[in-house]
Amino acid sequence: DSGVTQTPKHLITATGQRVTLRCSPRSGDLSVYWYQQSLDQGLQFLIHYYNGEERAKGNILERFSAQQFPDLHSELNLSSLELGDSALYFCASSTRGSGIYEQYFGPGTRLTVT
Amino acid sequence: DAKTTQPTSMDCAEGRAANLPCNHSTISGNEYVYWYRQIHSQGPQYIIHGLKNNETNEMASLIITEDRKSSTLILPHATLRDTAVYYCIVRGNNAGNMLTFGGGTRLMVKP
Repeated sequence: DSGVTQTPKHLITATGQRVTLRCSPRSGDLSVYWYQQSLDQGLQFLIHYYNGEERAKGNILERFSAQQFPDLHSELNLSSLELGDSALYFCASSTRGSGIYEQYFGPGTRLTVT
Repeated sequence: DAKTTQPTSMDCAEGRAANLPCNHSTISGNEYVYWYRQIHSQGPQYIIHGLKNNETNEMASLIITEDRKSSTLILPHATLRDTAVYYCIVRGNNAGNMLTFGGGTRLMVKP
């Protein structure tokens, strides 16, 4: 158990819909990262927040957005969903926002778009 | 970040050492070598990291060649629960903070 929690575990929704994925970092961790893992793309970095501020963006679609709240939990919002958005979504947390450190991953949310 | 090359898959007998190689010939001086693994769609798990000295922890050992162009992750006594995809990642400490995962090595530990 990494100490990172994600809800829900599974989500099934239809194309065109909007969903929100939630992540609670390990106690004391200020950084939250979101990654997407699809069958054809592998694990890809989406976005990084540190203490409420966006720090880095990866290959995140404009239909996707995220935020980190004052209690440090984070939400990833996916809108106008397409079949290709079906994937595992992981969040990870770490103590700091930069430097050499390990990231601790949550169990993931499996999103299925039908 | 430097690109890494890993074999697509490897087998190992239970109880034997698993040696997973990684080539990173374009690594630069301030880049570290990280290893993570992912067990069957679970979240990736941090294993170990190093700069140039060999490192050991309770999970594994990391051997980095003197020229730092390659490394080997060693699981000393592989168990069935070590069956996973192992990712070798090279990154510096100011590399935008994200981890860049390649294809990894699918390690199958067999009884």
